[in-house]
Amino acid sequence: AQSVTQLDSQVPVFEEAPVELRCNYSSSVSVYLFWYVQYPNQGLQLLLKYLSGSTLVKGINGFEAEFNKSQTSFHLRKPSVHISDTAEYFCAVTPYSSASKIIFGSGTRLSIRP
Amino acid sequence: DVKVTQSSRYLVKRTGEKVFLECVQDMDHENMFWYRQDPGLGLRLIYFSYDVKMKEKGDIPEGYSVSREKKERFSLILESASTNQTSMYLCASSLSRWTSGRADNEQFFGPGTRLTVL
Repeated sequence: AQSVTQLDSQVPVFEEAPVELRCNYSSSVSVYLFWYVQYPNQGLQLLLKYLSGSTLVKGINGFEAEFNKSQTSFHLRKPSVHISDTAEYFCAVTPYSSASKIIFGSGTRLSIRP
Repeated sequence: DVKVTQSSRYLVKRTGEKVFLECVQDMDHENMFWYRQDPGLGLRLIYFSYDVKMKEKGDIPEGYSVSREKKERFSLILESASTNQTSMYLCASSLSRWTSGRADNEQFFGPGTRLTVL
C-alpha cells in the first residue's frame, strides 16, 4: 500500500520570500508523483508531475519539485512567492501498477503575508 | 479546454433527504471519481468508475452509492443524508492507462460541491 505524508498542515510566508512544502511518501513499488494546487473555492489543478528522467521537475507559476528516491521525498519549492499563490497544495502518488487511483496527502495550506 | 462540471457549487439539504450530485466531463475519459474533502484529512475516495455501468468502492463508500449510465456522467447519491456527510465533494476524471497508452493517471477535477446537511 502507498501513503503520502505532508509534514506541514499550514505554512505562512511573507510575499517575495522563498517557500518549500514538504512531501514524503511510502511505497513498496515504484510510483509517479504529483503536486496539485487548490485555489480558494475551486477544484484541484495539476501543478507538476514526475514520471521519469530528470529529478527536478518544473511546473506552472514558477514552482518546481525535486524527486529524491533515497529519501522518498518530493518537496515543492518556489524562490519567491506572490499573494496569488495563496492556496492549498496536495502531494499525490500513483503506483506504476495502478490503472487509475491516485493517493493524496492531507494538504498544506500556504498563506502569503504582504 | 478540458472540462469537468458539477451540477451545484453549494447545496443545503435536510437530514434524511435523498441527495444527487452530478458530474459531467467532456474529455471522453473512461475513469471517473468521487472524493470528499474535509479539513486535515485531504481527499478521500468514495467511489470510482472505470467504464459505463462499472463501479468500485473507494476508501469510504458507506452511506453513498453511484450511477454511471453514460460515459460522460457520474452521479453520487446520498440515500439518506446525515449531518456527518456535510463536506466538499469533488469529482474527477482521467484517461484509462490501458487505452490511452499514457503512463500516469493524471486526474482532472471539477470545481466542487459544498454540501451542508442540516
